[in-house]
Amino acid sequence: GENVEQHPSTLSVQEGDSAVIKCTYSDSASNYFPWYKQELGKRPQLIIDIRSNVGEKKDQRIAVTLNKTAKHFSLHITETQPEDSAVYFCAASPGGSNYKLTFGKGTLLTVNP
Amino acid sequence: EADIYQTPRYLVIGTGKKITLECSQTMGHDKMYWYQQDPGMELHLIHYSYGVNSTEKGDLSSESTVSRIRTEHFPLTLESARPSHTSQYLCASTKTGLNTEAFFGQGTRLTVV
Repeated sequence: GENVEQHPSTLSVQEGDSAVIKCTYSDSASNYFPWYKQELGKRPQLIIDIRSNVGEKKDQRIAVTLNKTAKHFSLHITETQPEDSAVYFCAASPGGSNYKLTFGKGTLLTVNP
Repeated sequence: EADIYQTPRYLVIGTGKKITLECSQTMGHDKMYWYQQDPGMELHLIHYSYGVNSTEKGDLSSESTVSRIRTEHFPLTLESARPSHTSQYLCASTKTGLNTEAFFGQGTRLTVV
């Protein structure tokens, strides 16, 4: 089955700096790579996703890049703000009827004012 | 409003009791998942279902059981609760296809005393 590795497990940055979280996956059939944000006491929610036919996707201050050859994808947050502080999960899935979404272990991002 | 609902939100129960955590979704999703999440933040998959009458054990060994008699309902049962079962339980659902975004419930915080 799919195995997703996520690094780092914790990340602390100063407000305004950039943050990068990296994930690698094992199943070459995976073609859907979402990122979830979980604020303290709340449920995880999708913030951005990318499919294997796209190398990069941006949405305001967040971007995700995908390298299918190397089987890794990354989340980039620019101009970080204190409200970006949360746990971030990457995930991967082949997207078919008999495949499940596999999550990384999560990254605790702390943005210091 | 289409959403995924979990009840109860909080539960304190004595050792040895039988409990059922409820999860229902109104989004018509065929895949559903149960995750156990400790303060260490990792999402541990304990059960999943591809559809009605389909259930599979996840990556984390669990003494719980699940059933999927209806598409929208995926309850999790602990026959005999123990203090080691104290945790946050998150239910999620996705649909099959290209867009497999997962939607999470609010979670059930279980404490076994």
